Amino acid sequence: GIQVEQSPPDLILQEGANSTLRCNFSDSVNNLQWFHQNPWGQLINLFYIPSGTKQNGRLSATTVATERYSLLYISSSQTTDSGVYFCAVVGTSGTYKYIFGTGTRLKVLA
Amino acid sequence: NAGVTQTPKFQVLKTGQSMTLQCAQDMNHNSMYWYRQDPGMGLRLIYYSASEGTTDKGEVPNGYNVSRLNKREFSLRLESAAPSQTSVYFCASKTQGPHQPQHFGDGTRLSIL
Repeated sequence: GIQVEQSPPDLILQEGANSTLRCNFSDSVNNLQWFHQNPWGQLINLFYIPSGTKQNGRLSATTVATERYSLLYISSSQTTDSGVYFCAVVGTSGTYKYIFGTGTRLKVLA
Repeated sequence: NAGVTQTPKFQVLKTGQSMTLQCAQDMNHNSMYWYRQDPGMGLRLIYYSASEGTTDKGEVPNGYNVSRLNKREFSLRLESAAPSQTSVYFCASKTQGPHQPQHFGDGTRLSIL
């Protein structure tokens, strides 16, 4: 099955800094989502982005499907950005099975 | 607009006890999913239901059963709970078609002693 790797596993930033999180996947995908899991454990949809580029405020994401990776950019980070960021993919085999990466744990310091 | 609702939010069981986790969605979604999240890890798919009346195994189905009761509800049952099933369980739903995002409930934190 598809393998999903995220990097870096951990990241500590000062408030106001920018960061880039990466998600590599081993096969073609029909669906790719980025999620933020906040310190209370809730999973928040950030982007649905199987290809192309999207922006939402300080966050943006780019997926290059032909090269099998996606990037999540966080600009001017805030302490509320802390938590774990996951990407999840669905392959092209016709099932609806999502495979999650192990996440990037982000801590933003005031 | 409740979205995906999971009950209970917390539960403590003894080894060998049985338990059903409930999930309901009010978005008229066709597909529903159950995941578990262990500490420091991503989510792993237990079972999913692509549409009402169908269920399929995910990555880690052993020790679990599911029921797609109707379009709104998808339950997860532990018949004989084991300490290895201590985890946070998430339910999710999505509308039909491959190019649609999933929506998650807030999770059920389950401890088995």
